[in-house]
Amino acid sequence: AQSVTQLGSHVSVSEGALVLLRCNYSSSVPPYLFWYVQYPNQGLQLLLKYTTGATLVKGINGFEAEFKKSETSFHLTKPSAHMSDAAEYFCAVSREYGNKLVFGAGTILRVKS
Amino acid sequence: GAGVSQSPSNKVTEKGKDVELRCDPISGHTALYWYRQSLGQGLEFLIYFQGNSAPDKSGLPSDRFSAERTGGSVSTLTIQRTQQEDSAVYLCASSLQATGELFFGEGSRLTVL
Repeated sequence: AQSVTQLGSHVSVSEGALVLLRCNYSSSVPPYLFWYVQYPNQGLQLLLKYTTGATLVKGINGFEAEFKKSETSFHLTKPSAHMSDAAEYFCAVSREYGNKLVFGAGTILRVKS
Repeated sequence: GAGVSQSPSNKVTEKGKDVELRCDPISGHTALYWYRQSLGQGLEFLIYFQGNSAPDKSGLPSDRFSAERTGGSVSTLTIQRTQQEDSAVYLCASSLQATGELFFGEGSRLTVL
């Protein structure tokens, strides 16, 4: 069975600082990996996804993530945090297109001015 | 519409009543998913439709929960004899089989008193 672990339910950074949100997955087959963001009282929005090919994936709003098979990780980063990045972030894994996504528990990002 | 539409956005009901939640997916999306988001629980998969069929309904928590999809479009999630533990935000998502990206609605917030 697939599973996702997000380390840290809350992360706090200063505006302009590096954002690092950690995600580890377990999957018996090559996974497809996703990061979603949820702003207050809104649905989830896709930030980026990894399916095949280049392991460094760039997404919207300056975020990127790197798939590291040896570490079973897909950490999300952004060089410089903005106040508008404050939200909850979810990592998710699926085996193949059309299958359900299995989500991590989420990480709430707080950005301090 | 342009996005996934869910109704009602908020529902308050008394314990023991039945509720119906509606999801109108993006036109042309063949796959439809229901998730439940409870405080501190992350996103819990409920059921997946491909067309009008539900090949995976493993996440429905009890036989009080059911869902259907008609015409390959609108889906209804029904909860019978609601309990307080059913209080949550119910999220619907749709996707094109080929892309794997799920597009989420803003959810239906259910409160059972």
